[in-house]
Amino acid sequence: NAGVTQTPKFRVLKTGQSMTLLCAQDMNHEYMYWYRQDPGMGLRLIHYSVGEGTTAKGEVPDGYNVSRLKKQNFLLGLESAAPSQTSVYFCASSTPWVSAFFGQGTRLTVV
Amino acid sequence: SQKIEQNSEALNIQEGKTATLTCNYTNYSPAYLQWYRQDPGRGPVFLLLIRENEKEKRKERLKVTFDTTLKQSLFHITASQPADSATYLCALARNYGGSQGNLIFGKGTKLSVKP
Repeated sequence: NAGVTQTPKFRVLKTGQSMTLLCAQDMNHEYMYWYRQDPGMGLRLIHYSVGEGTTAKGEVPDGYNVSRLKKQNFLLGLESAAPSQTSVYFCASSTPWVSAFFGQGTRLTVV
Repeated sequence: SQKIEQNSEALNIQEGKTATLTCNYTNYSPAYLQWYRQDPGRGPVFLLLIRENEKEKRKERLKVTFDTTLKQSLFHITASQPADSATYLCALARNYGGSQGNLIFGKGTKLSVKP
């Protein structure tokens, strides 16, 4: 089992460019999450989804959009990247009330 | 606003001793609390989960307690080893009318176990 797979692993963007991060899980989990992790700030929830076709805002949603068109995929979009969005992004999935499984992370640099 | 605090950014202990990490929360009524381990450059890995109606959970050398009155969880690693050195994160999820809400993390405590 691959578990949770994030694509890409690394990316450098110029300010104003757009991109989409893809998260795929093969565990048939209902819940999926996108977090960003910055030094001294810990993991902060951007958006999450409790099922196919649903999304909800987390702690730091501004500047990001998400979509969950298929149960196994959760996409995170940056429409106009800013240097403040330089971070490591983690996707996770879970069944309700049990542990979350994380991907390996995407290191994004916006210059 | 909801707050989760892990009271130490870093904890240094000697091999063989018990490490105790603390997670406090405010303005929150979690349904359950989880602890994760994160190694540099990797995603967090689940360790233990404890529900609001449970006082204590154990798994090998790990023990978690959950006090909903104090709004606090303690995470213990007994007989610590250098391989236990990592960042440990606590996470909380709420019960929204029977459905799980979002999953929020503390900033983590970096544990260093010296030989």
